[in-house]
Amino acid sequence: KNEVEQSPQNLTAQEGEFITINCSYSVGISALHWLQQHPGGGIVSLFMLSSGKKKHGRLIATINIQEKHSSLHITASHPRDSAVYICAFQKTSYDKVIFGPGTSLSVIP
Amino acid sequence: EPEVTQTPSHQVTQMGQEVILRCVPISNHLYFYWYRQILGQKVEFLVSFYNNEISEKSEIFDDQFSVERPDGSNFTLKIRSTKLEDSAMYFCASQTVNQPQHFGDGTRLSIL
Repeated sequence: KNEVEQSPQNLTAQEGEFITINCSYSVGISALHWLQQHPGGGIVSLFMLSSGKKKHGRLIATINIQEKHSSLHITASHPRDSAVYICAFQKTSYDKVIFGPGTSLSVIP
Repeated sequence: EPEVTQTPSHQVTQMGQEVILRCVPISNHLYFYWYRQILGQKVEFLVSFYNNEISEKSEIFDDQFSVERPDGSNFTLKIRSTKLEDSAMYFCASQTVNQPQHFGDGTRLSIL
């Protein structure tokens, strides 16, 4: 059973478009993470959320704890945003991270 | 900003050989983790380590795997007798209070 699901699996957007990636999870969590993985393979943490909304530059992450749902939004998308975006969670503060399958984003100039 | 560093970036090894993957976590972090990602698949948890002992391990982390923090700075993952299916990207991570886990850039392990 997949504890984390993401949609869409793949996404192609034109430069400048507003992008939304959705994540749903099935268990109680202490923190939800959005991570970015570039083709070289390294993983970068974008957001750690336990409630509400966070914004960093053109990226916005929201979470609805009751509905067990989170979204990652990218405003004014740019080709350099092309990467795999991964939703993940921890059940407790120092627990292992459970990773979702990722959404592969390609932004075309 | 402090980083988790992993060496080597790419390791090629013959099947059956031992391999050691090395990680230097961020210096004030206390919780350490290894994950792996088989090509085209999602990242999977292998093992977590705290206070010089394993706190949790997955089904993947069988007797062929071991972890060690030999000198207070390095954190190593050893695979005793590698199999073809061990080919993957291995990520080290470390964490401190109220912060997300920080990941290294990974070691790509190729078993021939």
